[in-house]
Amino acid sequence: SAVISQKPSRDICQRGTSLTIQCQVDSQVTMMFWYRQQPGQSLTLIATANQGSEATYESGFVIDKFPISRPNLTFSTLTVSNMSPEDSSIYLCSVQVGTGDSPLHFGNGTRLTVT
Amino acid sequence: GDSVTQMEGPVTLSEEAFLTINCTYTATGYPSLFWYVQYPGEGLQLLLKATKADDKGSNKGFEATYRKETTSFHLEKGSVQVSDSAVYFCASHSGGGADGLTFGKGTHLIIQP
Repeated sequence: SAVISQKPSRDICQRGTSLTIQCQVDSQVTMMFWYRQQPGQSLTLIATANQGSEATYESGFVIDKFPISRPNLTFSTLTVSNMSPEDSSIYLCSVQVGTGDSPLHFGNGTRLTVT
Repeated sequence: GDSVTQMEGPVTLSEEAFLTINCTYTATGYPSLFWYVQYPGEGLQLLLKATKADDKGSNKGFEATYRKETTSFHLEKGSVQVSDSAVYFCASHSGGGADGLTFGKGTHLIIQP
């Protein structure tokens, strides 16, 4: 398994500002992902964070809004840019240890409220 | 694409009651199936999994059996505790990293003493 530290755990931000969320893993992992969990909803995959190259975004998510960095195999950041109240969600970092259909491990999430 | 349907919540039970949370899936091929649990204020944790038909996953008194004939993976526990109060997510994984992972909408379970 993997221990995932995510910070901040929560934040309240003003409209139009940006927030960067950090994700640190205690071991090297190949696959690292960012999810969004809107209130009362399930998880939606935002992107796969690729080490050494640009992230792979899912439909409906773009790099200008959610820039992602992955400088090494243990760390990634997700930035939520030019925030609006609709961005209020829980953002979760996740890693896959192993390959194929190995289960994902999740951080505790960042609860973001945009006012 | 794949989809996962689980029963709507919240589900409210008394302590020591029997629990069933229904989950059905649609997928091409034979996905692996998972139950994740999210306790208040925390991220998701893997609760149990099953990778092929008739497999039974179990953990912390919870069980789920992979039923190919009914495309189901219902979560059960014989006697729930207040500490089981959480949101439970059923998921199917057809491989290929996170883009092959499909979550249900989650079922909020509330256990009353």
